[in-house]
Amino acid sequence: DAGVTQSPTHLIKTRGQQVTLRCSPKSGHDTVSWYQQALGQGPQFIFQYYEEEERQRGNFPDRFSGHQFPNYSSELNVNALLLGDSALYLCASSYRDRPTYEQYFGPGTRLTVT
Amino acid sequence: AQTVTQSQPEMSVQEAETVTLSCTYDTSESDYYLFWYKQPPSRQMILVIRQEAYKQQNATENRFSVNFQKAAKSFSLKISDSQLGDAAMYFCAYRGGANNLFFGTGTRLTVIP
Repeated sequence: DAGVTQSPTHLIKTRGQQVTLRCSPKSGHDTVSWYQQALGQGPQFIFQYYEEEERQRGNFPDRFSGHQFPNYSSELNVNALLLGDSALYLCASSYRDRPTYEQYFGPGTRLTVT
Repeated sequence: AQTVTQSQPEMSVQEAETVTLSCTYDTSESDYYLFWYKQPPSRQMILVIRQEAYKQQNATENRFSVNFQKAAKSFSLKISDSQLGDAAMYFCAYRGGANNLFFGTGTRLTVIP
């Protein structure tokens, strides 16, 4: 049973560029959430996708956008990168109809903006 | 807004001993879930234990147990018989009706052989 996978593992970008991160949920899961974890901090919620729509959003600017595909995989896009966007980006999947909505995390993508 | 506070940036424990990590939270919701996640150097966030707020009984998973004090909004994690593999960052997290997780700032646990 494959867990949550993310690609790429590491990424280096320059200020002003755009980046796309990818996530495949755990088998059987239909909901994907994205989190940003700055160095030395706990993860912060960016947004959540279910049925190919953004259902919830945290306190992140519109430069952060996403997409969910029919196979439940998801992308996180960040435009006009800032130095402050350097962080570990975590994807988590869950099955929406489960009462606990237990979220399983992927290994993350480390983004460095120079 | 929900907030989660972990007041211990770092903790250490001797192998085979017991350690307790603290967590407090603030919420106006009555129905919610609390979690402890472990994040080793590999970065993968691993669920350790969860507690449903409506349950009075404290959750237990093998060597891991919680002390859930709903009135005090406290949710501590006790690790018994600590092992070298328990060394990691531990995050306390809250999930209410919004179905997204709010995390604390984490506690780095060192296990001394």
